[in-house]
Amino acid sequence: GAVVSQHPSWVICKSGTSVKIECRSLDFQATTMFWYRQFPKQSLMLMATSNEGSKATYEQGVEKDKFLINHASLTLSTLTVTSAHPEDSSFYICSAGTGGSYSNQPQHFGDGTRLSIL
Amino acid sequence: AQTVTQSQPEMSVQEAETVTLSCTYDTSESNYYLFWYKQPPSRQMILVIRQEAYKQQNATENRFSVNFQKAAKSFSLKISDSQLGDTAMYFCAFKASNTGKLIFGQGTTLQVKP
Repeated sequence: GAVVSQHPSWVICKSGTSVKIECRSLDFQATTMFWYRQFPKQSLMLMATSNEGSKATYEQGVEKDKFLINHASLTLSTLTVTSAHPEDSSFYICSAGTGGSYSNQPQHFGDGTRLSIL
Repeated sequence: AQTVTQSQPEMSVQEAETVTLSCTYDTSESNYYLFWYKQPPSRQMILVIRQEAYKQQNATENRFSVNFQKAAKSFSLKISDSQLGDTAMYFCAFKASNTGKLIFGQGTTLQVKP
């Protein structure tokens, strides 16, 4: 149980295009999902907290207009990288927890999306 | 603000031996949770073990166990009988009980050698 599906797993696109990444909780409802960014051999950096039915909460230094987050249902959150540039190339991972964001249950992670901007 | 520190960027161990990965954290919270996640080359994040701060007993999951020292704010991971499949990057993570955010350490790359 507690499976999080992330799609696509790898995307290559030209500079200036927008890219949408989907994160789905397959067998549970997630009122809160999280989006992380990870550079090679580095740790996961939290970008934003995605709340179902309301605006996302962004971490300091993360551009809201660049990284659009939508959490329209209890099982789906999307991250759109708008007007992507080579510096946006990275590994993006989503996660969701069962039992709500304040429980002791661990977060379950998607398999990540490798984004390459040419 | 909470911080998590893993002071060992890289470690190696011979197959079947035991290795301990270090983690310290800083927080003023009294209720929180600690986790160890494993990230193999596939980059999938896999939960290894978790510990509730209010529990004095150290968590154990098969070959994995922790040494939780609350006063010292230390949370080390011991891997016994290391296997080649344990080769991965290991992240220590902290979550306060009043927030859903996970704060990760810098990670330790573990290589298990045959």
